[in-house]
Amino acid sequence: AQKVTQAQTEISVVEKEDVTLDCVYETRDTTYYLFWYKQPPSGELVFLIRRNSFDEQNEISGRYSWNFQKSTSSFNFTITASQVVDSAVYFCALSGYGGSQGNLIFGKGTKLSVKP
Amino acid sequence: ETGVTQTPRHLVMGMTNKKSLKCEQHLGHNAMYWYKQSAKKPLELMFVYNFKEQTENNSVPSRFSPECPNSSHLFLHLHTLQPEDSALYLCASSQGSRSTDTQYFGPGTRLTVL
Repeated sequence: AQKVTQAQTEISVVEKEDVTLDCVYETRDTTYYLFWYKQPPSGELVFLIRRNSFDEQNEISGRYSWNFQKSTSSFNFTITASQVVDSAVYFCALSGYGGSQGNLIFGKGTKLSVKP
Repeated sequence: ETGVTQTPRHLVMGMTNKKSLKCEQHLGHNAMYWYKQSAKKPLELMFVYNFKEQTENNSVPSRFSPECPNSSHLFLHLHTLQPEDSALYLCASSQGSRSTDTQYFGPGTRLTVL
C-alpha cells in the first residue's frame, strides 16, 4: 500500500527563521514520483515540485530546497528565511505505477504559520 | 488567464437542492479530476476523466454525478446531499492521467450543506 506521512500537524515560526517540513512515504513501487503542494488560505493547491524516484539530487529554488533520501523514504522541504507569505498548508504527495490511474496519495498536510 | 478555474467559489445548499459545480482548464490538458477535502482528512480523489472518458470512480456515492463534455470542462452535479458532504471540492487537470503527469489545481468550491 502507498502512504504519505506528514508528522508535523502545525508549525509556527518567526519571520526569517528557517523551517523544515517533514515527509515520509511508503511504496512498493520502484518507480514513483513525489510532489509538494502549497495551499494558501485562498484554497488553491499550488504545485511546487515533482521529483522522480531515480533522481536523488537535492533541489534548490530560491528560498525553497528539497532533500530526497530514498534510504529513509523521506522527501523533506526546507524554507530558508521564512516570510509571512509562506504561511499556508503544505502537502506532500506520492504517485506510482502501483496506484490507481492518476491517483495522488496526499499526506494530511502541515500548517505553517510565519509570524512577523 | 488562470490555469484552472472553478465556479462558484462558495455554495450553500439544502439537502433537497440540486446544484452543479463547474471546472474549466485553460492548459490544454487531457485529464481532469475531482477531489474532496474535508477537515482533518487527507485529500480524497473522487473521479478521474481522461479524454472525456471516466477512468476512475473512487467509490463515490451516487448523489455526486460527474460530467465531462470535453477535455476543458468538468462538472459535478449534486443532489440530495448530506451535511457530511460539506467540504472543499477541488478540481485538477494534467496532461495525461499517468503517475508522471503533474496535476494543477483550481481554487476550489467551498460547499456547505445545511
